[in-house]
Amino acid sequence: DTEVTQTPKHLVMGMTNKKSLKCEQHMGHRAMYWYKQKAKKPPELMFVYSYEKLSINESVPSRFSPECPNSSLLNLHLHALQPEDSALYLCASSQKSGGAGNEQFFGPGTRLTVL
Amino acid sequence: SQQGEEDPQALSIQEGENATMNCSYKTSINNLQWYRQNSGRGLVHLILIRSNEREKHSGRLRVTLDTSKKSSSLLITASRAADTASYFCATDARTGFQKLVFGTGTRLLVSP
Repeated sequence: DTEVTQTPKHLVMGMTNKKSLKCEQHMGHRAMYWYKQKAKKPPELMFVYSYEKLSINESVPSRFSPECPNSSLLNLHLHALQPEDSALYLCASSQKSGGAGNEQFFGPGTRLTVL
Repeated sequence: SQQGEEDPQALSIQEGENATMNCSYKTSINNLQWYRQNSGRGLVHLILIRSNEREKHSGRLRVTLDTSKKSSSLLITASRAADTASYFCATDARTGFQKLVFGTGTRLLVSP
């Protein structure tokens, strides 16, 4: 299985809602990532988990809360978002972080709209 | 910002023609990767070239790397309509070993 899955595909939420994005991989990868991508822009790194521990937080606002329950799962909890948080949220995984093993496998993304 | 720059921003060609995209980056790297993204979907890894390599091929793809100029190019030969996508270079900076920093991207349109 060489696939990264993400659910849901689309999410519409109000600014007072709490929702979660989910990501799963079964490739035995030990690094997992969350990216945010606005239209016609490159992906921007948000968080990196390495061996289930948060290793990079790119100064992301606290209304985004990542969680890595186990080596296959990655969640992104959303609370009190703003309309400018509307974007495509991409999950990725890699065999390890850094060096030549850092080819990343991406999920299809969750298209988030904040009203 | 570490972000790389790509040019052109957009490229429109006919099927069968070759497409060349260029990437410039700012820091010393371990490797450089190219990804493709179809509209509104996830990225697909195309090819990785290490900092001690100068050229690499994969099918219709040819990537070059010039570390002295901090630049790379991606050549797609005999393009097809299915190659229509955005293409991003991404660098694995030696100082931020866990991070990939993506370039600004080139939007390629291949017309039948």
